[in-house]
Amino acid sequence: QKEVEQNSGPLSVPEGAIASLNCTYSDRGSQSFFWYRQYSGKSPELIMFIYSNGDKEDGRFTAQLNKASQYVSLLIRDSQPSDSATYLCAPPWGGGTSYGKLTFGQGTILTVHP
Amino acid sequence: KAGVTQTPRYLIKTRGQQVTLSCSPISGHRSVSWYQQTPGQGLQFLFEYFSETQRNKGNFPGRFSGRQFSNSRSEMNVSTLELGDSALYLCASSLSAQRDGLWYFGPGTRLTVT
Repeated sequence: QKEVEQNSGPLSVPEGAIASLNCTYSDRGSQSFFWYRQYSGKSPELIMFIYSNGDKEDGRFTAQLNKASQYVSLLIRDSQPSDSATYLCAPPWGGGTSYGKLTFGQGTILTVHP
Repeated sequence: KAGVTQTPRYLIKTRGQQVTLSCSPISGHRSVSWYQQTPGQGLQFLFEYFSETQRNKGNFPGRFSGRQFSNSRSEMNVSTLELGDSALYLCASSLSAQRDGLWYFGPGTRLTVT
């Protein structure tokens, strides 16, 4: 089993709809999660982080973390064409000496069409 | 505040050569990590430095090395380049020395090995 798995894409949604991106992880020691957005040809950009169970909202973005189910999701409300990108989830640690190591999922390509 | 900067942005090298990439973290950030991104493997962790000490290393051959200077700037070196080393090399920095610190990426250096 991969350490981090994201829902396979590509995901295509119409403008104004809700895009739902999901991520499961294998390390029960993971305490927090980051979501990055990466536009084609660019570097990853941190858009959301969540440290505790439950929901965290920031503008049009809502992150949900369920540690018992080892599941984290990112909802994008009122999706815009500018949201079209690859979304990467990453737990920042797996315990032990995992300093600085973000274990990225394979990414989900999101396309928002007008 | 300026973001993470990387130089050079693009590089073309020949097999067998060596290359040095440079990274300047966000002012005040003392942790620096390096990643390799390829279409087939995604984002792979190379190593992490804090206060000039390597605290973590990924599963890459010894041809990949790095260091951090007292001003937190970091360099990575790849010796005896192979075609498979062609990738986007990303540097990230964090303010926190803790495992769950927030990481911000630079624009990357695109290395092409011919």
